Amino acid sequence: DGGITQSPKYLFRKEGQNVTLSCEQNLNHDAMYWYRQDPGQGLRLIYYSQIVNDFQKGDIAEGYSVSREKKESFPLTVTSAQKNPTAFYLCASSIDPAGGGTGTLHFGNGTRLTVT
Amino acid sequence: AQSVTQLGSHVSVSEGALVLLRCNYSSSVPPYLFWYVQYPNQGLQLLLKYTSAATLVKGINGFEAEFKKSETSFHLTKPSAHMSDAAEYFCAVSPSSASKIIFGSGTRLSIRP
Repeated sequence: DGGITQSPKYLFRKEGQNVTLSCEQNLNHDAMYWYRQDPGQGLRLIYYSQIVNDFQKGDIAEGYSVSREKKESFPLTVTSAQKNPTAFYLCASSIDPAGGGTGTLHFGNGTRLTVT
Repeated sequence: AQSVTQLGSHVSVSEGALVLLRCNYSSSVPPYLFWYVQYPNQGLQLLLKYTSAATLVKGINGFEAEFKKSETSFHLTKPSAHMSDAAEYFCAVSPSSASKIIFGSGTRLSIRP
């Protein structure tokens, strides 16, 4: 079955360390996204990519970095510059290369990151 | 700027009762509208979407939503709640086919036995 795989499900890191969250999709979708979810705040867009080797900042990109070397993969690095990294991170993809609109977003099951 | 407002961060209904989750949007052009559902510790999945066809949109699991332009609303309803409907529900808007999807802050639905 096609879908999005995020790993690991739970991640614990010490403050000051960079950490990379994995996101892989086998839906052959062009567009991929990273969202951050905090209680009571809904989803906020961190980064998105419409094609391989290209990505754009979302609303809260500071302290994060991404790469898109392969169509199937869109890893997110949470750097030590991110002041409040503890959150639930969701990866999504869409067949719509324009980035949303009428396209349905397909989500992974998320990675819960805790930084202490 | 486009935005979406969900009224009520938590809604509780009895099993078998009507479910009504409210969503209002602001958009300068006719938008695309979505409802997504999230079960605990999972990602979101699409319930239904409005893309300027019929104003009453039917989705999965017996849910439906009605687009009312005059009220800038897209409320989600289900005639009879089931225990399995307990989840968080997100309304989302996209002003055009080339725009990013903007999510509301979510409404947590609880079902009382």
